Amino acid sequence: GAVVSQHPSWVICKSGTSVKIECRSLDFQATTMFWYRQFPKQSLMLMATSNEGSKATYEQGVEKDKFLINHASLTLSTLTVTSAHPEDSSFYICSARFPSGMVGNEQFFGPGTRLTVL
Amino acid sequence: SQQGEEDPQALSIQEGENATMNCSYKTSINNLQWYRQNSGRGLVHLILIRSNEREKHSGRLRVTLDTSKKSSSLLITASRAADTASYFCATGLTNTGNQFYFGTGTSLTVIP
Repeated sequence: GAVVSQHPSWVICKSGTSVKIECRSLDFQATTMFWYRQFPKQSLMLMATSNEGSKATYEQGVEKDKFLINHASLTLSTLTVTSAHPEDSSFYICSARFPSGMVGNEQFFGPGTRLTVL
Repeated sequence: SQQGEEDPQALSIQEGENATMNCSYKTSINNLQWYRQNSGRGLVHLILIRSNEREKHSGRLRVTLDTSKKSSSLLITASRAADTASYFCATGLTNTGNQFYFGTGTSLTVIP
């Protein structure tokens, strides 16, 4: 199956700093990637849809100026958490889909990045 | 909220028993998928069922979908200790392109 990687797998940072998380599709090109956030013992919440070459689409309640998304190539999307605060500590997961195919059935998930803000 | 709800939130069974988890959602869907997540790890895709399907099997897994009730169930037969994980349903909605919205999840513990 298709492989999606994330880097880093775990990051600890000080409050007020910015953190960049990378999501890569390793063996396929992904025109669309998705970013999710998961708090402990809770479900995944879709944050935004990242489209190659265009602006990301954010879900209601997600601050686009705080969570900057860049999808500069067909294999890489980045999520930057700006001015991180302890409440941003979470598990961030990305997924990627093939450029074509039936709606919703070809998303591949990365292993996740655990962010801890001190 | 577009997020689905799963029932029960937590389930504890003995090895060999069957485990049933339910998922309810609110809007029309294109498909529904079930995922598994071990603690602190990424998601593993288990099975997809399309809106025009009623039942699907994959190994020890059986998924049903009732679009009239906006609900789905996941049955794991002959459970094993290695099945211990959280299970989530994710809905692909008809009016949002390719986004997935995840249910609240069921934490399954299989006791050896």
